[in-house]
Amino acid sequence: DAGVTQSPTHLIKTRGQHVTLRCSPISGHKSVSWYQQVLGQGPQFIFQYYEKEERGRGNFPDRFSARQFPNYSSELNVNALLLGDSALYLCASSLETGANTGELFFGEGSRLTVL
Amino acid sequence: AQSVTQLDSQVPVFEEAPVELRCNYSSSVSVYLFWYVQYPNQGLQLLLKYLSGSTLVKGINGFEAEFNKSQTSFHLRKPSVHISDTAEYFCAVSAVNAGKSTFGDGTTLTVKP
Repeated sequence: DAGVTQSPTHLIKTRGQHVTLRCSPISGHKSVSWYQQVLGQGPQFIFQYYEKEERGRGNFPDRFSARQFPNYSSELNVNALLLGDSALYLCASSLETGANTGELFFGEGSRLTVL
Repeated sequence: AQSVTQLDSQVPVFEEAPVELRCNYSSSVSVYLFWYVQYPNQGLQLLLKYLSGSTLVKGINGFEAEFNKSQTSFHLRKPSVHISDTAEYFCAVSAVNAGKSTFGDGTTLTVKP
């Protein structure tokens, strides 16, 4: 079975531009989360979505937005890019059941460079 | 809210030596605990998890970790490391029934021949 897939794998943008990152979860997983990993740091939680609804949001500005589609895939959008948005953006899927264990299954990430 | 502190940013060790990567956490509610590994240019992969029950948990690739509630620690150990264990290791906590995980800043394990 395919794991979590993300696209694009690498991209370069300039300040002020907009970016859209895409994620397809593992088949059967209904929850998708987004994390930002700046070089030298651990992943920071941005959003969690389940059944197309936002379940949680981290401490990120309104320039960051996301959505989940009926097939459980997801998009992360970032507007008005800043140099500090340069990072590896990780998507993770998880089972969302009454026995949610919090285990995350990560994709390989989209590396965004803002010039 | 939860927080995670990984006490060592870098751990160099020789091949076949034992290793311990230290993790302390803070939380006002019950949590699940995880260790993930990240190889260069890849996403994170789960090594092991503590949900409940026995405080000693075993994971993949010969790693194990011990949950210590009184010391709020979850240290990762391996009795004999290999060159292929060279990677970044992240400790993470998730409040029970919560959707997000909080990660530490990682420990770089470098195994030397």
